[in-house]
Amino acid sequence: NAGVTQTPKFQVLKTGQSMTLQCAQDMNHNSMYWYRQDPGMGLRLIYYSASEGTTDKGEVPNGYNVSRLNKREFSLRLESAAPSQTSVYFCASSERLMDTQYFGPGTRLTVL
Amino acid sequence: GQQLNQSPQSMFIQEGEDVSMNCTSSSIFNTWLWYKQDPGEGPVLLIALYKAGELTSNGRLTAQFGITRKDSFLNISASIPSDVGIYFCAGQIDYGQNFVFGPGTRLSVLP
Repeated sequence: NAGVTQTPKFQVLKTGQSMTLQCAQDMNHNSMYWYRQDPGMGLRLIYYSASEGTTDKGEVPNGYNVSRLNKREFSLRLESAAPSQTSVYFCASSERLMDTQYFGPGTRLTVL
Repeated sequence: GQQLNQSPQSMFIQEGEDVSMNCTSSSIFNTWLWYKQDPGEGPVLLIALYKAGELTSNGRLTAQFGITRKDSFLNISASIPSDVGIYFCAGQIDYGQNFVFGPGTRLSVLP
């Protein structure tokens, strides 16, 4: 099992550009999550999906959108990137909502 | 929002030494998780704790759920170079609610 996979691993954007971060899990988990990690801070929840077909806002959703494409895949979209969105983005999954979560390797995004 | 404090923020130890770190909250939690993050990688779950006073081991790692339910502790015995990384705690007030993550303790092991 690959667990949770994320693409791309690194990305540099200019302010105003858009992009989609991809995440997939092969553990047959129902729930998936997107977090951002900033220096000196704990992981902060952006959006989550309790199950296929549902999505909900987390602590810091502004500037982001998500799509739960199917049970395996959960994507995060930045429509108009801003320098404040420079961060490391982690996708995670769990068997049930807000159960113990398993993380992907992260996407390191820089917005210039 | 909820905040977790982790202590120490960073530590440098000699290989073979034991390590202790803790995580504290102003709120009562019913679940504590400990993760390790290697440089350039995502957090990996080390230990999960579900009951006040619970003591759980995973190899050389031992974690405890504080009896006040506002803290948790992680100990690493006989540290080795591959223990280098950032150790995160995460707490959950009630089942089904968001996890809150601490800022991490950065561990460096000197040969």
